[in-house]
Amino acid sequence: AQTVTQSQPEMSVQEAETVTLSCTYDTSENNYYLFWYKQPPSRQMILVIRQEAYKQQNATENRFSVNFQKAAKSFSLKISDSQLGDTAMYFCAFMTLYNAGGTSYGKLTFGQGTILTVHP
Amino acid sequence: NAGVTQTPKFRVLKTGQSMTLLCAQDMNHEYMYWYRQDPGMGLRLIHYSVGEGTTAKGEVPDGYNVSRLKKQNFLLGLESAAPSQTSVYFCASSPTEVLAGQLYEQYFGPGTRLTVT
Repeated sequence: AQTVTQSQPEMSVQEAETVTLSCTYDTSENNYYLFWYKQPPSRQMILVIRQEAYKQQNATENRFSVNFQKAAKSFSLKISDSQLGDTAMYFCAFMTLYNAGGTSYGKLTFGQGTILTVHP
Repeated sequence: NAGVTQTPKFRVLKTGQSMTLLCAQDMNHEYMYWYRQDPGMGLRLIHYSVGEGTTAKGEVPDGYNVSRLKKQNFLLGLESAAPSQTSVYFCASSPTEVLAGQLYEQYFGPGTRLTVT
């Protein structure tokens, strides 16, 4: 079974600074996907960034980037120029792919979450 | 285009009562999922469906049943609620890889907060 570990229950950062959230995972699979989801106080789960395990290049989405170290099974999220609206719970998630009649679907395994607070 | 919607948003039940949570998606997605979120544990998969008329167990299926009679709806049932089922429940859906270009993104509903006393 896959496991995802987020070792930082809470983090804080000053507005405009950079913060890195850690995530490690354990799997014997070779083909998988990794995600970071944001959950603001509204409770809505919002996809922040996605990384395909077969891609060596780290994914970036505007102020969000990842450091994907496949051999170390590490997938950290870097938020640059932090904004007050970034305050949220952040979840790292691992997706295993399964076959279903010729197509594939994914099952997500989530980490425990990291509460990020951005201070003005 | 409403995306994924969940009904109700909040509910309080007494131990032993039953209820059904409704999830609806208007994106014609093939796959649907039910998760529960508990403090300090992230989201855990309860049941999922890979198509109309099919369901399967996830990580924590005990005490729950599901049905997918229509492609756009995925129902989660609690036959006899227990305090351990107090949680926030999320529904999600995703398209096939053929439509999504192998992105495998899951789209989440707004959640249902359930309290069992």
